[in-house]
Amino acid sequence: AQSVTQLDSHVSVSEGTPVLLRCNYSSSYSPSLFWYVQHPNKGLQLLLKYTSAATLVKGINGFEAEFKKSETSFHLTKPSAHMSDAAEYFCVVSDQGNTNAGKSTFGDGTTLTVKP
Amino acid sequence: GAVVSQHPSRVICKSGTSVKIECRSLDFQATTMFWYRQFPKKSLMLMATSNEGSKATYEQGVEKDKFLINHASLTLSTLTVTSAHPEDSSFYICSARERLRNNEQFFGPGTRLTVL
Repeated sequence: AQSVTQLDSHVSVSEGTPVLLRCNYSSSYSPSLFWYVQHPNKGLQLLLKYTSAATLVKGINGFEAEFKKSETSFHLTKPSAHMSDAAEYFCVVSDQGNTNAGKSTFGDGTTLTVKP
Repeated sequence: GAVVSQHPSRVICKSGTSVKIECRSLDFQATTMFWYRQFPKKSLMLMATSNEGSKATYEQGVEKDKFLINHASLTLSTLTVTSAHPEDSSFYICSARERLRNNEQFFGPGTRLTVL
């Protein structure tokens, strides 16, 4: 079984300050982990992914995430928020080693607000 | 590469009618496609897993007679919402898994269904 917990439903930051969106996961097998962003009334855009290579993953638009197996975490960070970063963010886990390989479980999402 | 399209992007229909949504992988073969439903300001809920040439596997609580899924080829899966009612109004998103890319999933842009 697999699950994802996004620890904050809402995060508000000022433009130019760091962003931290927290995600904890549970997986019975070697997981792949993803962060997606969704702007209002739009589809999902992949920010970055971890698939058992480097634990520090760099993504698009200055985002990065670190896979910490001991903490079962995959937090998303960005050094300096931009107004265009305001959106909904989803952490996703996908087991690769069982009969449901590739089946993704989404977190509940974190709404990021960026204040000018 | 790895583009997934959905058609239509937006549909409005009358209660009692059926609506078909297409999901296509444009530049790769997708042995597996997934259908998700997203309620306003909520996360994505997996509805079913669709494998080419076989019956779809539905998640618990999803009515298979209500949401008909057909995966007739390696590049096309369809979701038909039969006898639609206002409570079926939602954002439907498909994803396609590419075997040659470590089973990575690629998401379509979504279809907004409004049932009057």
